[in-house]
Amino acid sequence: DIVLTQSPASLAVSLGQRATISCRASQSVSTSSYSYMHWYQQKPGQPPKLLIKYASNLESGVPARFSGSGSGTDFTLNIHPVEEEDTATYYCQHSWEIRTFGGGTKLEIK
Amino acid sequence: DVQLQESGPGLVKPSQSLSLTCSVTGYSITSGYYWNWIRQFPGNKLEWMGYISYDGSNNYNPSLKNRISITRDTSKNQFFLKLNSVTTEDTATYYCARGDGYYHYWGQGTLVTVSA
Repeated sequence: DIVLTQSPASLAVSLGQRATISCRASQSVSTSSYSYMHWYQQKPGQPPKLLIKYASNLESGVPARFSGSGSGTDFTLNIHPVEEEDTATYYCQHSWEIRTFGGGTKLEIK
Repeated sequence: DVQLQESGPGLVKPSQSLSLTCSVTGYSITSGYYWNWIRQFPGNKLEWMGYISYDGSNNYNPSLKNRISITRDTSKNQFFLKLNSVTTEDTATYYCARGDGYYHYWGQGTLVTVSA
């Protein structure tokens, strides 16, 4: 199985600043056309919510302060400017083969 | 709007079978997509378990080997999870979700505890 390693495990960002979360895959999850990496936000007591699909495509209804980038084995989720409501845990997930998720990054807003 | 809702026992004894139902409204499970079970362990690790496709085919996580079965009742627009020979390590929140590669629609999840 492809292992997804997220970093950092937790971070605290001041209101209005940028949060950057990384996800590294143990092998490439990209072709020349697509990167099979997706990002979710999860708040306590709720299921994960899809934010970004195929590395950089913002899901409908998700605020434009969320953005994704990357290809191959290295991917990044950026949130700028962060708002109070962005306090949550964020997960990456690939769909290259047997789907696996990253371990999560807990974001706190200072 | 598409909605999914899990239901089933919250407590299962070790060595027994875990059975859950996902009831879907707003979309027919035979019209398209894959219908998945995903679980989240204490400590928050997420694991994709498997799916039943709109055409009735299955794909399972090999880590679950021969313990898992996902079936459906198209007349009720429901699909089901059965996990055999459970241990305490199967204690988790179980989600049903719609998606082919990424998961756009999720149920609220149901906590299943495996304990004697």
